[in-house]
Amino acid sequence: GAGVSQSPRYKVAKRGQDVALRCDPISGHVSLFWYQQALGQGPEFLTYFQNEAQLDKSGLPSDRFFAERPEGSVSTLKIQRTQQEDSAVYLCASSGLSGGALGKLFFGSGTQLSVL
Amino acid sequence: GENVEQHPSTLSVQEGDSAVIKCTYSDSASNYFPWYKQELGKRPQLIIDIRSNVGEKKDQRIAVTLNKTAKHFSLHITETQPEDSAVYFCAAPQRSNNAGNMLTFGGGTRLMVKP
Repeated sequence: GAGVSQSPRYKVAKRGQDVALRCDPISGHVSLFWYQQALGQGPEFLTYFQNEAQLDKSGLPSDRFFAERPEGSVSTLKIQRTQQEDSAVYLCASSGLSGGALGKLFFGSGTQLSVL
Repeated sequence: GENVEQHPSTLSVQEGDSAVIKCTYSDSASNYFPWYKQELGKRPQLIIDIRSNVGEKKDQRIAVTLNKTAKHFSLHITETQPEDSAVYFCAAPQRSNNAGNMLTFGGGTRLMVKP
């Protein structure tokens, strides 16, 4: 595809429910990032993959959050036992590792998660 | 880790005027500074970036300046138009030993351009 694709676009979950958010990065981009954006705030880093390796997960707020990228392409962010404070937009971004794309993040449209 | 402060949080200008948004960062080794524009309900999009080997970069009506000594960088938009209305985010590398891929974002500036 032409850009980073995320699904679903909107997700409403009942408190305690598990959710899975999908990210399909730009083809060929080895770096993939997950960010959390609360209403009116800047994106906050959650985790980073280089190919299938999760190199940094220091931003994950609790052990209820888990991310994977098993084949180095599509990634899934899973949140177990959702809480109201998990309500936010979850943004995925990808980046190339060479040439002009180095350092430039390309974001998806995000998944807006609302936990009731 | 990097700490990025951005101000003002809101900025209202008249169409045709200039707008300036400023950011400071904490890690003197940071070497890459992008600016993103996010329209309501849409994805953040890169509009301009600067690396630490230059002090200024321009692209039509937008420019970014970097002062490494003072550890701040600014976004300048000239001849503002209503379609410039959006939230703007600055960012800096999360750790100085990476190539700029992992970013820490400022809190954002909501720019409103009044016709």
